[in-house]
Amino acid sequence: EAQVTQNPRYLITVTGKKLTVTCSQNMNHEYMSWYRQDPGLGLRQIYYSMNVEVTDKGDVPEGYKVSRKEKRNFPLILESPSPNQTSLYFCASSLVGTGGNQPQHFGDGTRLSIL
Amino acid sequence: GQQVMQIPQYQHVQEGEDFTTYCNSSTTLSNIQWYKQRPGGHPVFLIQLVKSGEVKKQKRLTFQFGEAKKNSSLHITATQTTDVGTYFCAAHQTDSWGKLQFGAGTQVVVTP
Repeated sequence: EAQVTQNPRYLITVTGKKLTVTCSQNMNHEYMSWYRQDPGLGLRQIYYSMNVEVTDKGDVPEGYKVSRKEKRNFPLILESPSPNQTSLYFCASSLVGTGGNQPQHFGDGTRLSIL
Repeated sequence: GQQVMQIPQYQHVQEGEDFTTYCNSSTTLSNIQWYKQRPGGHPVFLIQLVKSGEVKKQKRLTFQFGEAKKNSSLHITATQTTDVGTYFCAAHQTDSWGKLQFGAGTQVVVTP
């Protein structure tokens, strides 16, 4: 089954304790992206990757890191989490088409609480 | 830079009624996508519009892209309880298409 898998689905942790949210897709998609969703703000893009070893900042990259060593995986790293990073996080992937006109396939989300 | 504004933020609809949600941009968009997120779920792609003035239909849903490619609308006729959820529009930034901007979403509540 074609899917985007995120882990963990839920995490409660404390300020400053490094954490990684994994994202994996089995559709051979070149493009992958991370979003955070907060009430009233919709989805805001954190980082995206056009292909292996190619990553770039979205609209809200501060406090996050990513890596794309393999095509299928795109982990999101919070080196020193803070309470303002408490949010619902989504990973998404898509093919790369002309002008970027490809639908995003989303994972089920990861709810992070930073105390 | 490009900003995608979506209105209304909330929409309470009586079952059987119609409603429309709007997406507006200050700059010309290369394309616009629409997604639906059910409560507790993840966004699911509905449709993509690319051409100026384009209109696409999916059963009771009608999607429109403005002539100037700066606005889009989603119209739902004869609303059903299955239409509950949040509808988002999204657009790729024209000078950096890897960036995808979402509107804040329209949360739809349907009253039987």
